[in-house]
Amino acid sequence: DAMVIQNPRYQVTQFGKPVTLSCSQTLNHNVMYWYQQKSSQAPKLLFHYYDKDFNNEADTPDNFQSRRPNTSFCFLDIRSPGLGDAAMYLCATTYSLNTEAFFGQGTRLTVV
Amino acid sequence: AQSVTQLGSHVSVSEGALVLLRCNYSSSVPPYLFWYVQYPNQGLQLLLKYTTGATLVKGINGFEAEFKKSETSFHLTKPSAHMSDAAEYFCAVIPNSGNAPLVFGKGTRLSVIA
Repeated sequence: DAMVIQNPRYQVTQFGKPVTLSCSQTLNHNVMYWYQQKSSQAPKLLFHYYDKDFNNEADTPDNFQSRRPNTSFCFLDIRSPGLGDAAMYLCATTYSLNTEAFFGQGTRLTVV
Repeated sequence: AQSVTQLGSHVSVSEGALVLLRCNYSSSVPPYLFWYVQYPNQGLQLLLKYTTGATLVKGINGFEAEFKKSETSFHLTKPSAHMSDAAEYFCAVIPNSGNAPLVFGKGTRLSVIA
């Protein structure tokens, strides 16, 4: 049974058109993360929520925002997608900051 | 800041041969260490982890890794490669203090030749 679910698996959006990616979890984990992974590269952490506490990485562009309305759901909003934002976006959860991460299947974003 | 270095962006082995993927960490205090596998267009799956205790860690799919503090290494091995092992492998670290998220190495792509 999937424990971290990302929707959709594939998303095509137009240049400059806001897009939202979704992540849900059934693990009741405290921490939820969003990573960006470009082709043949390591996942790069964008931000994470520890409960309701939002933690943004210093080099995450302002174009990327996140919301966590409750424990189970977390959203990634890209306000004005550019061609350079095309990537795989991975959601992950952990019980706390020093425990193993569980990943969703990812959403592959294409910007046209 | 904590980091991991994976030596070799691409490793190719014959089916049935030994798999060795290298990972070194940078820390004076042993961190928590992980190996993840990623198949094409999939998320990451945990293979194994080291936190404390036994330095030889066994994971899924026949993989194991040995934590060597003296070498600051956590290399991943499998005695006999299978075609299904072809994937991207990431070494990752969490500082022992536990107050920072997972940091990944750049990854090693494993190819298995029939």
